[in-house]
Amino acid sequence: GAVVSQHPSRVICKSGTSVKIECRSLDFQATTMFWYRQFPKQSLMLMATSNEGSKATYEQGVEKDKFLINHASLTLSTLTVTSAHPEDSSFYICSARSLSGYEQYFGPGTRLTVT
Amino acid sequence: GQNIDQPTEMTATEGAIVQINCTYQTSGFNGLFWYQQHAGEAPTFLSYNVLDGLEEKGRFSSFLSRSKGYSYLLLKELQMKDSASYLCASQDSNYQLIWGAGTKLIIKP
Repeated sequence: GAVVSQHPSRVICKSGTSVKIECRSLDFQATTMFWYRQFPKQSLMLMATSNEGSKATYEQGVEKDKFLINHASLTLSTLTVTSAHPEDSSFYICSARSLSGYEQYFGPGTRLTVT
Repeated sequence: GQNIDQPTEMTATEGAIVQINCTYQTSGFNGLFWYQQHAGEAPTFLSYNVLDGLEEKGRFSSFLSRSKGYSYLLLKELQMKDSASYLCASQDSNYQLIWGAGTKLIIKP
């Protein structure tokens, strides 16, 4: 099946710094990538949808200037959490879907801790 | 509007059968997904139904009734490793997934 990787798997950063998370589709071209956030014991919360070569579409309540998303190629999307604060600590998960597919394939997730 | 409902938690015994129900209200309905998520891990795909009926895949089966806005995931011959959260998600006409809160399944020996 299709494989999506995320890097890093865990990151600890200080408040006020920025963190970049990479999401790669390893064996297929992902025309659409999704970024989710999940707090403990809660369901997935969609943050934004990005299509290759165009600006991401952010969900209501998600600050686009704080969560910068770049989908520069068909196999790579990045999420940058700028000026991170402790309340940004969460599990960030990306998923990818090919043009011909209906299924979203999930990356393994990135656990961000902001101290 | 968009809405997904599924039970918060269920308990079952190893070797038994459990059915996890999901009801949805989705504009432009375009399929129903079930994902499994173990604690601390990302979701993994289990099934996709877009037509009415039962789809069987090994120990897991998924059912859809579009007229009732209803789906269920059936797990047979439960194993301890099946302890996880099971997420129901409906897809709309824009291929966006609307997620349920997940059902935490606890398997007891």
